[in-house]
Amino acid sequence: TQLLEQSPQFLSIQEGENLTVYCNSSSVFSSLQWYRQEPGEGPVLLVTVVTGGEVKKLKRLTFQFGDARKDSSLHITAAQPGDTGLYLCAGDYGAGSYQLTFGKGTKLSVIP
Amino acid sequence: ETGVTQSPTHLIKTRGQQVTLRCSSQSGHNTVSWYQQALGQGPQFIFQYYREEENGRGNFPPRFSGLQFPNYSSELNVNALELDDSALYLCASSHPTTGEQYFGPGTRLTVT
Repeated sequence: TQLLEQSPQFLSIQEGENLTVYCNSSSVFSSLQWYRQEPGEGPVLLVTVVTGGEVKKLKRLTFQFGDARKDSSLHITAAQPGDTGLYLCAGDYGAGSYQLTFGKGTKLSVIP
Repeated sequence: ETGVTQSPTHLIKTRGQQVTLRCSSQSGHNTVSWYQQALGQGPQFIFQYYREEENGRGNFPPRFSGLQFPNYSSELNVNALELDDSALYLCASSHPTTGEQYFGPGTRLTVT
């Protein structure tokens, strides 16, 4: 069974602070996706990373894929209350199988 | 372009009953995946359909079954409902080129 671990599980920070969320696996990903989910809604795709060492930026969000394609991180600069939500990483282990294994998520609360 | 839609939004069933959940994929997406998300957990892969055929299955018993129709819409059927089946059921359709998955809003199933 392939496991995908996210840390921390919960994060509560003040507006304006920076934070990093981690996603780790013992297996190599074919690709990895980050999603954000609001309560009672479906996950919304933020980014897909495919190449080892890849860095992608989405406004104040920076996503990094590890060189060995087994880990990833999401860094948020100057967090805002609108960033509050559940951040999920999801790995595709199977050469484009498009069958995702999700972590348990990081629940982020940004306090004004 | 219409996104992924799911129906119904909420559903309450009694243990032992059967339920059918429906999903309409995003235009042009011929692959549909179903996930179960229990409270406080990340989504778990149930199965995937590609061109009306099952194309992969997660660790779920046979009482979870599905269908995909020629227009790529899909159904998830669950027989002999158990209390642990209470969850948010998510449908996702995959971009035909990138494989990125786009989720619907989910169906909240409560089994009493």
